[in-house]
Amino acid sequence: EIVLTQSPGTLSLSPGERATLSCRASQSVSSSYLAWYQQKPGQAPRLLIYGASSRATGIPDRFSGSGSGTDFTLTISRLEPEDFAVYYCQQYGSSPPNTFGQGTKLEIK
Amino acid sequence: QVTLKESGPVLVKPTETLTLTCTVSGFSLSNARMGVSWIRQPPGKALEWLAHIFSNDEKSYSTSLKSRLTISKDTSKSQVVLTMTNMDPVDTATYYCARISGYSYESWGQGTLVTVSS
Repeated sequence: EIVLTQSPGTLSLSPGERATLSCRASQSVSSSYLAWYQQKPGQAPRLLIYGASSRATGIPDRFSGSGSGTDFTLTISRLEPEDFAVYYCQQYGSSPPNTFGQGTKLEIK
Repeated sequence: QVTLKESGPVLVKPTETLTLTCTVSGFSLSNARMGVSWIRQPPGKALEWLAHIFSNDEKSYSTSLKSRLTISKDTSKSQVVLTMTNMDPVDTATYYCARISGYSYESWGQGTLVTVSS
């Protein structure tokens, strides 16, 4: 089973700053199979990035994804107040087909 | 417009069996490579994938929960059903269904909170 480890656990930043979130896989993951989600309190997760670097429909271009193999990154270029939330990475594999990271909480400094 | 909605009991007793239903609209469960997953989230914790089912009836389960889970679909009713046996308080969580789009989840239900308590 592929384990996804996200870091940091909590990231404290101010609006306008740049955020860099990491997702490391225990085995190599095809870039096609790596996604990122944003979740706000009381809401379902929202797909941000799929295929490691493609933005989902309606996602602002301040969100970008990169990486390959075992190391993937979600970058928010300039934080807006509505970006403070919890972020999860997810991989689609073979056995079992899906795993999520433990999440990174992005909080206002 | 794609929508998914979870339904089921809000409270179950330990050892009981949980049955959850996901009713979908805006797409057909019979469309080629169409799939729906169940994902849960204990309060304050991370997302955990449970199971999925595709239009060709291909099914897959979480390794750790496989013995307790059954997923099925009724295409005519546009429903995907998940049963989980032998419920325990640690199974208290919000349970989501989500549509698989490629290799990720573009559409999610609102989630339903299930509490396990005597």
